[in-house]
Amino acid sequence: LAKTTQPISMDSYEGQEVNITCSHNNIATNDYITWYQQFPSQGPRFIIQGYKTKVTNEVASLFIPADRKSSTLSLPRVSLSDTAVYYCLVVALGGNKLTFGTGTQLKVEL
Amino acid sequence: GAGVSQSPSNKVTEKGKDVELRCDPISGHTALYWYRQSLGQGLEFLIYFQGNSAPDKSGLPSDRFSAERTGGSVSTLTIQRTQQEDSAVYLCASSSSTGLVAGANVLTFGAGSRLTVL
Repeated sequence: LAKTTQPISMDSYEGQEVNITCSHNNIATNDYITWYQQFPSQGPRFIIQGYKTKVTNEVASLFIPADRKSSTLSLPRVSLSDTAVYYCLVVALGGNKLTFGTGTQLKVEL
Repeated sequence: GAGVSQSPSNKVTEKGKDVELRCDPISGHTALYWYRQSLGQGLEFLIYFQGNSAPDKSGLPSDRFSAERTGGSVSTLTIQRTQQEDSAVYLCASSSSTGLVAGANVLTFGAGSRLTVL
């Protein structure tokens, strides 16, 4: 299983773009990169998933360089409600055990 | 159902008692996971069920913990002789497939069951 490394915490202000980078040096060919968001007292919620290059949805963008050894979750114009823990996972299609790291605690202030 | 349902949402028990936590996954989801999250910590994998295959129990912390999934749907996590260190939120998640399709392995989580052992 590819191990992921991401910052423990980040601080930002409302209206700014936030980029959270995750390292996954041992990613395998059939692995996908998946990000989840967790608010206090709730279960994690799927945000975005990608394999390579760039993926964008209504919530975020995911940038993956050609070597796929890292990925960056980009949150445009964050608000207070984006304060949460963000988890990066490397997911093997056809795999089973999904291990979450400690995540990145994002705190957005006024 | 529309989402993953877990019950009870809160459970307070005395040390040494047994507890059962229930998870009702999204209808049709073949994969089901249990995680544990202690206060301020990340998610700790406990057990994984996929269809009729033998479950992956590699994350269960001791033999006091067990889980079953009946009929490929509802799952019950049982903790025997609870200890104070078992206090945590127990999260259940399900996914539609682990097949070779993009979007597979995307987990939908329940709200969790908060267990407090006095």
